[in-house]
Amino acid sequence: GDSVTQMEGPVTLSEEAFLTINCTYTATGYPSLFWYVQYPGEGLQLLLKATKADDKGSNKGFEATYRKETTSFHLEKGSVQVSDSAVYFCALSDRGGSARQLTFGSGTQLTVLP
Amino acid sequence: SQTIHQWPATLVQPVGSPLSLECTVEGTSNPNLYWYRQAAGRGLQLLFYSVGIGQISSEVPQNLSASRPQDRQFILSSKKLLLSDSGFYLCAWSPTTTGTVGFFGSGTQLSVL
Repeated sequence: GDSVTQMEGPVTLSEEAFLTINCTYTATGYPSLFWYVQYPGEGLQLLLKATKADDKGSNKGFEATYRKETTSFHLEKGSVQVSDSAVYFCALSDRGGSARQLTFGSGTQLTVLP
Repeated sequence: SQTIHQWPATLVQPVGSPLSLECTVEGTSNPNLYWYRQAAGRGLQLLFYSVGIGQISSEVPQNLSASRPQDRQFILSSKKLLLSDSGFYLCAWSPTTTGTVGFFGSGTQLSVL
């Protein structure tokens, strides 16, 4: 079945540091890939997505590129801020970009220190 | 800004009792609304989705039902809970134009005993 593996946290960085959160997946066919973020006290919200190989999703300074050859969708940001402290979830959907079935990774806690 | 409210956060119910979980969305109109369930150690599975008032689509056969009495209200119900209904339930919404789920509620942990 489908699965998503994320790097284990927690991750602690200083403000303006470079961030990478690794995500690899296993799926049949051509899934869509997502990053969701959960800020303290809030629900999950979509951060970015990519629906086909070599697509790059971007939002709020975060980027992730759909790499079919390495089955990866690593999240990156060049300069993190304290406000980026949150839990980040990688996810995939095996039915195009629809919401039918979402498989989530276990989440990575990011703390950014001033 | 858009917000989504889901309650209660936790619920313990005996087998055979009824269930009602409520979800409301603010700051948007005519959203697509979704109910998901996450069983322990597994991903999220879509249970129901709605593209408008009174319009409900079911993804899997189950002991649950959903209703959308108002544009921004989505209710998950059961007349008689089963042990297998235990799990973590999430409400979510997306703009009708994209279909990609944008925002999730904080979830309800349901334990059926």
